[in-house]
Amino acid sequence: DTAVSQTPKYLVTQMGNDKSIKCEQNLGHDTMYWYKQDSKKFLKIMFSYNNKELIINETVPNRFSPKSPDKAHLNLHINSLELGDSAVYFCASSLGTALMNTEAFFGQGTRLTVV
Amino acid sequence: AQSVSQHNHHVILSEAASLELGCNYSYGGTVNLFWYVQYPGQHLQLLLKYFSGDPLVKGIKGFEAEFIKSKFSFNLRKPSVQWSDTAEYFCAVHGWGKLQFGAGTQVVVTP
Repeated sequence: DTAVSQTPKYLVTQMGNDKSIKCEQNLGHDTMYWYKQDSKKFLKIMFSYNNKELIINETVPNRFSPKSPDKAHLNLHINSLELGDSAVYFCASSLGTALMNTEAFFGQGTRLTVV
Repeated sequence: AQSVSQHNHHVILSEAASLELGCNYSYGGTVNLFWYVQYPGQHLQLLLKYFSGDPLVKGIKGFEAEFIKSKFSFNLRKPSVQWSDTAEYFCAVHGWGKLQFGAGTQVVVTP
């Protein structure tokens, strides 16, 4: 069974559209994250949720809205997509907010291409 | 501001050569340290981690890393690389509730 799974794996869409990426983890973790990896492979944290509550919100346009219906799921909704949103988005999860003495497990990534 | 720096952006070496990738961080308190690897087209996988204890940690696939607290460093090493080690390598540091990554080092191993 996949520990952290994201859907879809690939997403091609036009500018201005609204799209969602879903993430689910079956590890029993209570903290989930979204990271964005740009074309230069730079990984930047976007959001972090612990037990459905937002704990980290980096400087991300408010067109990006995470939603956590329960602690096993963290979805990312993006409004009014722009060319610059093209990237690979990784979901991750870990046990505990502090991440101390634990590690993050990553999903396979969602490659978003905005045309 | 907290930051993670990886010294090299690109490294090209031949099979059987030794590899060392530098990583420095700027957190003042207790940290956990990680190296992740991303093979072409794949997701991040954990290579090794340091939480406490012996500062020399061994990971998978023959990799090891040494934590030097006085230098705020956590360098990754492998004595003899293989073609299959071609990948992007990321140092990551956890402190203050956030897992932060370095910019990554692309390693290309030529036959």
